[in-house]
Parts: sequence; C-alpha cells; structure tokens
Amino acid sequence: QQQVKQSPQSLIVQKGGISIINCAYENTAFDYFPWYQQFPGKGPALLIAIRPDVSEKKEGRFTISFNKSAKQFSLHIMDSQPGDSATYFCAASSAGNQFYFGTGTSLTVIP
Amino acid sequence: KAGVTQTPRYLIKTRGQQVTLSCSPISGHRSVSWYQQTPGQGLQFLFEYFSETQRNKGNFPGRFSGRQFSNSRSEMNVSTLELGDSALYLCASSFRGTGDEQFFGPGTRLTVL
Repeated sequence: QQQVKQSPQSLIVQKGGISIINCAYENTAFDYFPWYQQFPGKGPALLIAIRPDVSEKKEGRFTISFNKSAKQFSLHIMDSQPGDSATYFCAASSAGNQFYFGTGTSLTVIP
Repeated sequence: KAGVTQTPRYLIKTRGQQVTLSCSPISGHRSVSWYQQTPGQGLQFLFEYFSETQRNKGNFPGRFSGRQFSNSRSEMNVSTLELGDSALYLCASSFRGTGDEQFFGPGTRLTVL
C-alpha cells in the first residue's frame, strides 16, 4: 500500500506561471510533510516543509497548502522559472517512523 | 557547515560481488537513513540508524545491511549483487531522525553488470 500518492507524474508550465503538485497520504499519524527538489545527478534537496498545526507555509515563491481533514497537501510554485525545472518529491513522516516518499513529479518550465 | 558526503560517487560491479558504500552525515547529526532510487520505483527506504542502532527497516532482502559507527558515519553493504540492484543509493542525515529535517547526500551510482 502506497502511503503517499503524488500527482501529476509530469508537468509543463510556461515561464511566469504557477506550478501545482499534489500529494495525498493515508496515515493520520504523520506529522511532518517536506517537499524535496532534485536535479539530475544530484541528491534531493529540502525545499520547504510543514507540520499539521498550520494550513499554509510560504517561503519565497514556494508555498505548501495543507488540508488535514482531506489528508492532502500541495506545493505551489509561483512565477515559475526555467531554473525550477527539476523533479519534486513530497514525503511524510512521524517521529520514530520512516519517511514515505511520493513517486515524484517532473516539472519543465518553458521559457 | 559541510553537507552529507557519500563515497564512492560511482561504482561498477558484476553480479555476485558485494559492495560497501559509505556516508558521512552533517556534523552533529545522529541519524542516517539510506534509500534506493530507481526510475521505476522512486525513493525506497532501506533503513535508518540512530546512535549506532538500527531504528527502522524497509522491505529489502537480507542482502542489504548497514551499520553506524560511534562518529555517526554509516556504511551500507549489499552482498551477492543482482542486476536489479543497479540504482542511485542515497543517504540522508538528520539531528533527531525521522519526523525531523533530513538532508541528502549526492548519492552513489551503482551499476551491476
């Protein structure tokens, strides 16, 4: 059973547009929800993370929206740039338990 | 502060051989987790070590093993390599472990011929 489901698998956005990636989770015990960005040949880099006590967290052009009742969270990239082209992974975890990762979204931002 | 380092970066082995990968976490971090990344399966959790003890384990066969030393450095060993073990092996370190910020190394690209 996949603990974290991520969509879409791939996304193409025009420069300046908004990129939206969605994740849904199963385990209500999860209390830490990070997003990672990965460029080819590199390890994933922590982008932004949220805990369920808030519904939204913004860092620069990146925003996480969190819906506890629906068990869903999403990443919004505002004013998307070609340099944002990468693979994005959502994840979920709780203290003492492993991280569960989504299957990844390949984002391409067209100039 | 130096990031997570992994050695070697690239490795080519043949079926049946064994391999040892190394990971040095960020200074002060006591938790090291290992992941296998493949195009078809994404990021799959192998195991987590915290203060030299294995705390969590994923669904991988016993050919995959690991250990952590007193300085928090960790090694992962794969015995009797199979073609399907070809993957990017990533380690990640964090201060408190799961449920906490986790930082990844660049990975070791293992190719099994």
